[in-house]
This record gives sequence, C-alpha cells and structure tokens, in this order.
Amino acid sequence: DAGVTQSPTHLIKTRGQQVTLRCSPKSGHDTVSWYQQALGQGPQFIFQYYEEEERQRGNFPDRFSGHQFPNYSSELNVNALLLGDSALYLCASSLRTQETQYFGPGTRLLVL
Amino acid sequence: AQTVTQSQPEMSVQEAETVTLSCTYDTSESNYYLFWYKQPPSRQMILVIRQEAYKQQNATENRFSVNFQKAAKSFSLKISDSQLGDTAMYFCAFMIGYALNFGKGTSLLVTP
Repeated sequence: DAGVTQSPTHLIKTRGQQVTLRCSPKSGHDTVSWYQQALGQGPQFIFQYYEEEERQRGNFPDRFSGHQFPNYSSELNVNALLLGDSALYLCASSLRTQETQYFGPGTRLLVL
Repeated sequence: AQTVTQSQPEMSVQEAETVTLSCTYDTSESNYYLFWYKQPPSRQMILVIRQEAYKQQNATENRFSVNFQKAAKSFSLKISDSQLGDTAMYFCAFMIGYALNFGKGTSLLVTP
C-alpha cells in the first residue's frame, strides 16, 4: 500500500524565484492538503484540494497557489520567494468522507 | 481564533515508564476532531490517535490513550510502557472544516 510521496526531498532557491513542489496521495485517497512547517513550529495549513478545486484556504498570500490533477496528485507553487518561505512543506492526503489526514515525508525548502 | 496550546516544550521519561503530554485548545465550534501526531527526526508526521469531539469515550490505541475533557477543552496523551522508539516531537491538533490546527509541539525523549 503506497503511502504519500513528495518530491523533491530538498530544494534550494534564491529570493524572487518560483518553486513547484509535488505530492502523490496515498493509494485510494482523493483529497490533498498542504502545510508549511517553519523550524521549531507546528505545521500551518495552506490549502486543501478536492475534485481539482481549492476547497479551503489558510492565511497565506496569493503567492501560494496549487493544483490537483485528475489522478489526485497535487502541486504547490510559490512565486516571488522570500527568505521567510524557508520551511518544511508537508503534503497530507485523505478521503473526502473521512477526517484523518496522512502525511508525506515533506520537502525541505531553503531560500537564500 | 482557534488555537492549540502545548505547555510542555520538552519532556523526558525512562523506558517502560508512563508519561502524559498536555494539550488545551480553544474553539467556539461544537463539532470537531482531535488528533495527536508524532514527528520523529526523520520528520515524517505519523498519526498516533484520534478522537471525535461528540464521543465521550476516550480513544485508545495500544500503549497510547487520551484523556478528553470537552468542557475544559483539554486533550492529553498518555503513553504507557514507553519505548526508545517513542522519542519524537508530539503535536496536538484539532480539525474544524478541512484544516488541521496544530500546537507548537512537545519534544519527548525516552531514555534507557
């Protein structure tokens, strides 16, 4: 049973650049959520995608955008990177009808 | 605002002993779900246990159990027979809508 996978595992970018992170949900799941975890903090909810639509959004600027594909995989895009965007980005998948979210291993983004 | 407070930044317990991690939360909602996740140094967020707010019975998963006090908005995690592999950051979270709201975490160290 394949769990949630994310790519890449690590990424280094410079300020002003754009980045795309990818996530494949756990087998059988149809919903993907994205979280940002700054060092020493708990994860913060960015948004959730279901049926290729953004279903709920957290308190993040429009520089953060996403997409969900027909196979339920998802991408997180961040434009005009800031130093403060350096964090661990976690993807979580779930079933529309269930509340429990299962997390991937994360992508560590460093913005220089 | 919906908040989660974990008042113990760090805790330590000896192998085979019992430890309790505290969590309080604040919400005006009446229907929600509560979770404990662990995040070992590998950084993968792993579900430990979940509790539905409408259920009075406390959830139990093997060595892990919770003490859910809805009126007090308290949701503590008890780990019995602690094992070295329990060493990790533990995050308390509750879900309203589709978003998980996390606390800042408690770092638990299990010593031989």
